[in-house]
Amino acid sequence: DSGVTQTPKHLITATGQRVTLRCSPRSGDLSVYWYQQSLDQGLQFLIQYYNGEERAKGNILERFSAQQFPDLHSELNLSSLELGDSALYFCASSVSQAPNTEAFFGQGTRLTVV
Amino acid sequence: AQSVTQLGSHVSVSEGALVLLRCNYSSSVPPYLFWYVQYPNQGLQLLLKYTTGATLVKGINGFEAEFKKSETSFHLTKPSAHMSDAAEYFCAVASASKIIFGSGTRLSIRP
Repeated sequence: DSGVTQTPKHLITATGQRVTLRCSPRSGDLSVYWYQQSLDQGLQFLIQYYNGEERAKGNILERFSAQQFPDLHSELNLSSLELGDSALYFCASSVSQAPNTEAFFGQGTRLTVV
Repeated sequence: AQSVTQLGSHVSVSEGALVLLRCNYSSSVPPYLFWYVQYPNQGLQLLLKYTTGATLVKGINGFEAEFKKSETSFHLTKPSAHMSDAAEYFCAVASASKIIFGSGTRLSIRP
């Protein structure tokens, strides 16, 4: 158990819908990262937050957004969903924003868009 | 720009044999390098990392990796494979702003 909690574990929704994925980081970790893992794209970095502020942005679509709340949990919002958004979405946390810091991954949310 | 290339999407070895998973990177600045492992239906777990200092890095479960700047490589090895090593392995390079993962190598272990 990494200490990172993601909910829900599975999500099935229709095209055009909007969903929210939730992540609770390890106790004491200030950084949260979101990743998308799919068969064709591999593991893609989406976005990083540190202590409530956006720190880095990767290959995140405009239809996607995220935020980190004062209690440090984070949410990833996916809207106008397309079939191609079906993937495993991981959240990871680390104690600092430094790139050499170990990140601890949750077990992921498997999103299926039908 | 940084990039990571993992050679071989699938590697199969016999139990007890040497494991060698290859990773080459590209980075314009001194890199931070990582190997992560992903077991089925689980998130990624850090095996080992290189930041500075000793170029031979030892990790968990008997794995180690050597940073070779001249070859821009960070190959992962384990002297003797166990059945429990079957998983997907990801090499990654980090910069000041983000971490980039390779496409992964699936390791299978033959009895």
